[in-house]
Amino acid sequence: ELKVEQNPLFLSMQEGKNYTIYCNYSTTSDRLYWYRQDPGKSLESLFVLLSNGAVKQEGRLMASLDTKARLSTLHITAAVHDLSATYFCAVDQGSQGNLIFGKGTKLSVKP
Amino acid sequence: ETGVTQTPRHLVMGMTNKKSLKCEQHLGHNAMYWYKQSAKKPLELMFVYSLEERVENNSVPSRFSPECPNSSHLFLHLHTLQPEDSALYLCASSGRLSGSWNEQFFGPGTRLTVL
Repeated sequence: ELKVEQNPLFLSMQEGKNYTIYCNYSTTSDRLYWYRQDPGKSLESLFVLLSNGAVKQEGRLMASLDTKARLSTLHITAAVHDLSATYFCAVDQGSQGNLIFGKGTKLSVKP
Repeated sequence: ETGVTQTPRHLVMGMTNKKSLKCEQHLGHNAMYWYKQSAKKPLELMFVYSLEERVENNSVPSRFSPECPNSSHLFLHLHTLQPEDSALYLCASSGRLSGSWNEQFFGPGTRLTVL
């Protein structure tokens, strides 16, 4: 059974600082997705990582995938308040295209 | 309308009521999903439909009954729910399955409260 673990689950950081969110998964997969969810809102797709070594960047966020280590990271550079949200990673289970989600990392960026 | 839409956005119902949630996708996708998101648990996949056939049913109680009349529409019929069924119900769709990438696009969700 595929399990997806994110850490930390809660992250409070100051504006301007850097930090990394980690996503580990238990079985082989080469497709991983990052989503953002604002309070009371739906999930917004951030990144699609489709192969080992994939790296994607959008603004202050950069995501990478290491399929051998079964690890993805979401790196935040010089955080700003607008990045406050919950971030989910999801791993493609493969057989029917089902995604298994992590528990999410609730990020709070304070001035 | 663009993307994935859901109606209603908010729903309050009693335990004896029958109601339905509706999802519509305008992306030309061939797979649709229902998820439950509650405060106590991570996103739980409930049902998957691929080309209008149900391919996944994750031990969901029978008081939840999905229906997919065509590739653009998905319903979740609710009857005799329990207070613990109160949650955000999210619909998603994706374009390709099995051996190809599967980015899912989510609707805004229906916030359900069962009294």
